[in-house]
Amino acid sequence: TQLLEQSPQFLSIQEGENLTVYCNSSSVFSSLQWYRQEPGEGPVLLVTVVTGGEVKKLKRLTFQFGDARKDSSLHITAAQPGDTGLYLCAWPYRGQFYFGTGTSLTVIP
Amino acid sequence: EAQVTQNPRYLITVTGKKLTVTCSQNMNHEYMSWYRQDPGLGLRQIYYSMNVEVTDKGDVPEGYKVSRKEKRNFPLILESPSPNQTSLYFCASKGLDEQYFGPGTRLTVT
Repeated sequence: TQLLEQSPQFLSIQEGENLTVYCNSSSVFSSLQWYRQEPGEGPVLLVTVVTGGEVKKLKRLTFQFGDARKDSSLHITAAQPGDTGLYLCAWPYRGQFYFGTGTSLTVIP
Repeated sequence: EAQVTQNPRYLITVTGKKLTVTCSQNMNHEYMSWYRQDPGLGLRQIYYSMNVEVTDKGDVPEGYKVSRKEKRNFPLILESPSPNQTSLYFCASKGLDEQYFGPGTRLTVT
Protein backbone atom coordinates (compact mmCIF):
# COMPACT_ATOMS: atom_id res chain seq x y z
CA THR A 1 0.00 0.00 0.00
CA GLN A 2 1.39 3.36 -1.07
CA LEU A 3 1.47 5.91 1.74
CA LEU A 4 1.32 8.83 -0.69
CA GLU A 5 -0.92 8.57 -3.75
CA GLN A 6 -0.23 10.92 -6.60
CA SER A 7 -2.58 11.73 -9.45
CA PRO A 8 -2.69 11.77 -12.32
CA GLN A 9 0.08 9.32 -13.04
CA PHE A 10 0.69 10.79 -16.49
CA LEU A 11 -0.21 14.18 -17.91
CA SER A 12 0.45 15.56 -21.38
CA ILE A 13 -0.57 19.13 -22.12
CA GLN A 14 0.08 21.93 -24.59
CA GLU A 15 2.37 24.81 -23.78
CA GLY A 16 0.45 27.61 -22.12
CA GLU A 17 -2.15 25.44 -20.41
CA ASN A 18 -2.68 25.29 -16.67
CA LEU A 19 -2.57 22.09 -14.67
CA THR A 20 -2.88 20.72 -11.16
CA VAL A 21 -1.38 17.55 -9.75
CA TYR A 22 -2.28 16.00 -6.43
CA CYS A 23 -0.66 14.17 -3.55
CA ASN A 24 -3.10 12.45 -1.20
CA SER A 25 -3.01 10.24 1.85
CA SER A 26 -5.20 9.04 4.67
CA SER A 27 -2.45 9.98 7.14
CA VAL A 28 -1.70 13.36 8.67
CA PHE A 29 1.74 14.77 7.91
CA SER A 30 3.93 17.20 9.78
CA SER A 31 5.25 18.44 6.45
CA LEU A 32 5.34 17.53 2.78
CA GLN A 33 7.92 18.17 0.12
CA TRP A 34 7.65 18.49 -3.64
CA TYR A 35 10.47 17.51 -5.99
CA ARG A 36 10.95 17.68 -9.74
CA GLN A 37 13.03 15.07 -11.51
CA GLU A 38 14.17 15.65 -15.07
CA PRO A 39 15.08 12.70 -17.30
CA GLY A 40 18.50 11.28 -16.47
CA GLU A 41 18.89 13.29 -13.28
CA GLY A 42 18.16 13.06 -9.59
CA PRO A 43 15.17 14.78 -7.98
CA VAL A 44 15.49 18.44 -7.02
CA LEU A 45 13.61 19.89 -4.08
CA LEU A 46 11.07 22.55 -5.07
CA VAL A 47 9.36 23.36 -1.80
CA THR A 48 8.51 22.20 1.71
CA VAL A 49 5.07 22.95 3.17
CA VAL A 50 4.57 22.62 6.91
CA THR A 51 1.37 24.37 7.96
CA GLY A 52 -2.18 23.25 7.18
CA GLY A 53 -3.66 25.56 4.57
CA GLU A 54 -0.25 26.92 3.63
CA VAL A 55 0.23 28.23 0.11
CA LYS A 56 3.69 28.75 -1.38
CA LYS A 57 4.51 30.20 -4.75
CA LEU A 58 7.58 29.60 -6.84
CA LYS A 59 7.24 31.68 -10.01
CA ARG A 60 4.47 29.91 -11.99
CA LEU A 61 4.20 27.04 -9.50
CA THR A 62 1.74 27.22 -6.59
CA PHE A 63 1.89 24.63 -3.81
CA GLN A 64 -0.89 24.12 -1.32
CA PHE A 65 -0.99 22.01 1.83
CA GLY A 66 -4.45 20.84 2.79
CA ASP A 67 -6.09 22.22 5.92
CA ALA A 68 -6.05 18.78 7.52
CA ARG A 69 -2.43 18.18 6.39
CA LYS A 70 -3.42 14.98 4.57
CA ASP A 71 -3.00 16.22 1.03
CA SER A 72 -1.18 18.69 -1.14
CA SER A 73 -1.48 20.08 -4.64
CA LEU A 74 0.82 21.64 -7.18
CA HIS A 75 -0.65 24.04 -9.70
CA ILE A 76 1.35 25.20 -12.72
CA THR A 77 0.20 28.26 -14.61
CA ALA A 78 0.99 28.64 -18.30
CA ALA A 79 3.08 25.49 -18.51
CA GLN A 80 6.28 25.59 -20.53
CA PRO A 81 8.33 22.78 -22.11
CA GLY A 82 10.93 23.31 -19.37
CA ASP A 83 8.34 22.15 -16.83
CA THR A 84 8.49 18.65 -18.31
CA GLY A 85 9.53 16.10 -15.74
CA LEU A 86 8.46 13.79 -12.94
CA TYR A 87 6.86 15.56 -9.98
CA LEU A 88 7.21 13.75 -6.68
CA CYS A 89 5.78 14.45 -3.29
CA ALA A 90 7.55 13.16 -0.21
CA TRP A 91 7.04 12.94 3.53
CA PRO A 92 10.16 13.42 5.65
CA TYR A 93 9.85 11.60 8.97
CA ARG A 94 12.61 11.03 11.50
CA GLY A 95 15.35 10.59 8.94
CA GLN A 96 13.25 8.57 6.55
CA PHE A 97 11.70 9.88 3.37
CA TYR A 98 8.53 8.37 1.92
CA PHE A 99 7.91 9.24 -1.72
CA GLY A 100 4.81 9.06 -3.85
CA THR A 101 5.00 7.33 -7.23
CA GLY A 102 4.97 10.66 -9.03
CA THR A 103 3.19 12.46 -11.85
CA SER A 104 5.00 12.41 -15.18
CA LEU A 105 4.32 15.70 -16.95
CA THR A 106 5.00 16.38 -20.62
CA VAL A 107 4.51 19.88 -21.96
CA ILE A 108 4.25 19.93 -25.74
CA PRO A 109 5.57 23.04 -27.50
CA GLU B 1 30.45 23.32 -6.74
CA ALA B 2 28.23 21.61 -4.16
CA GLN B 3 27.45 18.15 -5.37
CA VAL B 4 26.80 14.49 -4.73
CA THR B 5 28.75 12.15 -6.98
CA GLN B 6 28.09 8.49 -7.67
CA ASN B 7 30.17 5.89 -9.45
CA PRO B 8 29.71 4.09 -11.67
CA ARG B 9 26.84 5.72 -13.55
CA TYR B 10 26.04 2.53 -15.42
CA LEU B 11 26.79 -1.05 -14.44
CA ILE B 12 25.86 -4.39 -15.94
CA THR B 13 26.79 -7.40 -13.83
CA VAL B 14 25.88 -11.02 -13.27
CA THR B 15 24.01 -12.66 -10.44
CA GLY B 16 26.12 -13.22 -7.35
CA LYS B 17 29.07 -11.01 -8.24
CA LYS B 18 29.68 -8.58 -5.39
CA LEU B 19 29.65 -4.91 -6.28
CA THR B 20 29.98 -1.53 -4.64
CA VAL B 21 28.46 1.75 -5.76
CA THR B 22 30.32 4.70 -4.33
CA CYS B 23 28.75 7.96 -3.18
CA SER B 24 30.54 11.09 -2.10
CA GLN B 25 29.37 14.57 -1.08
CA ASN B 26 31.36 17.78 -0.66
CA MET B 27 28.85 19.74 1.43
CA ASN B 28 29.91 18.45 4.87
CA HIS B 29 26.41 17.04 5.39
CA GLU B 30 25.85 14.68 8.28
CA TYR B 31 22.87 12.94 6.66
CA MET B 32 23.21 10.63 3.67
CA SER B 33 20.83 8.14 2.10
CA TRP B 34 20.37 5.57 -0.67
CA TYR B 35 17.24 5.08 -2.76
CA ARG B 36 16.17 2.86 -5.58
CA GLN B 37 13.69 3.96 -8.24
CA ASP B 38 11.54 1.48 -10.13
CA PRO B 39 8.69 2.07 -12.60
CA GLY B 40 5.36 2.11 -10.84
CA LEU B 41 6.96 1.93 -7.40
CA GLY B 42 8.60 5.31 -7.21
CA LEU B 43 11.58 6.16 -5.03
CA ARG B 44 12.11 3.85 -2.07
CA GLN B 45 14.66 4.37 0.65
CA ILE B 46 17.19 1.58 1.17
CA TYR B 47 19.39 2.85 4.00
CA TYR B 48 20.17 6.18 5.59
CA SER B 49 22.84 7.55 7.88
CA MET B 50 22.35 10.40 10.31
CA ASN B 51 26.07 10.65 11.02
CA VAL B 52 29.40 8.82 10.84
CA GLU B 53 29.15 5.24 12.10
CA VAL B 54 25.34 5.51 12.36
CA THR B 55 23.23 3.73 9.75
CA ASP B 56 19.56 2.74 9.73
CA LYS B 57 17.33 0.65 7.49
CA GLY B 58 14.87 2.30 5.18
CA ASP B 59 11.91 0.65 3.51
CA VAL B 60 13.78 -1.86 1.35
CA PRO B 61 17.14 -2.82 2.96
CA GLU B 62 17.13 -6.53 2.08
CA GLY B 63 20.10 -7.53 -0.06
CA TYR B 64 22.04 -4.33 0.59
CA LYS B 65 24.74 -3.17 2.98
CA VAL B 66 26.14 0.27 3.67
CA SER B 67 28.94 1.76 5.69
CA ARG B 68 29.67 5.26 6.92
CA LYS B 69 33.28 5.41 8.05
CA GLU B 70 33.73 9.05 7.12
CA LYS B 71 31.34 11.93 6.67
CA ARG B 72 31.75 12.47 2.95
CA ASN B 73 31.37 8.85 1.73
CA PHE B 74 28.47 6.41 1.89
CA PRO B 75 29.02 3.35 -0.32
CA LEU B 76 26.24 0.90 -1.19
CA ILE B 77 27.30 -2.73 -1.25
CA LEU B 78 25.48 -5.60 -2.93
CA GLU B 79 27.12 -8.77 -1.62
CA SER B 80 25.27 -11.13 -3.95
CA PRO B 81 23.25 -9.20 -6.52
CA SER B 82 20.10 -10.72 -7.95
CA PRO B 83 18.02 -9.72 -11.00
CA ASN B 84 15.37 -8.12 -8.76
CA GLN B 85 17.99 -5.55 -7.77
CA THR B 86 18.07 -4.23 -11.31
CA SER B 87 17.10 -0.62 -10.77
CA LEU B 88 18.09 3.04 -10.83
CA TYR B 89 19.91 3.96 -7.64
CA PHE B 90 20.26 7.43 -6.14
CA CYS B 91 22.46 8.63 -3.33
CA ALA B 92 21.51 11.79 -1.47
CA SER B 93 22.82 14.03 1.27
CA LYS B 94 20.96 16.54 3.39
CA GLY B 95 21.88 19.64 5.30
CA LEU B 96 19.42 21.54 7.48
CA ASP B 97 16.51 21.43 5.07
CA GLU B 98 17.30 20.41 1.53
CA GLN B 99 18.13 16.93 0.30
CA TYR B 100 20.55 16.86 -2.66
CA PHE B 101 20.54 13.89 -4.98
CA GLY B 102 23.32 12.44 -7.07
CA PRO B 103 22.92 11.76 -10.79
CA GLY B 104 21.97 8.11 -10.36
CA THR B 105 23.49 4.71 -11.08
CA ARG B 106 21.67 2.42 -13.47
CA LEU B 107 22.34 -1.17 -12.43
CA THR B 108 21.41 -4.22 -14.46
CA VAL B 109 21.84 -7.68 -12.94
CA THR B 110 21.56 -10.56 -15.41
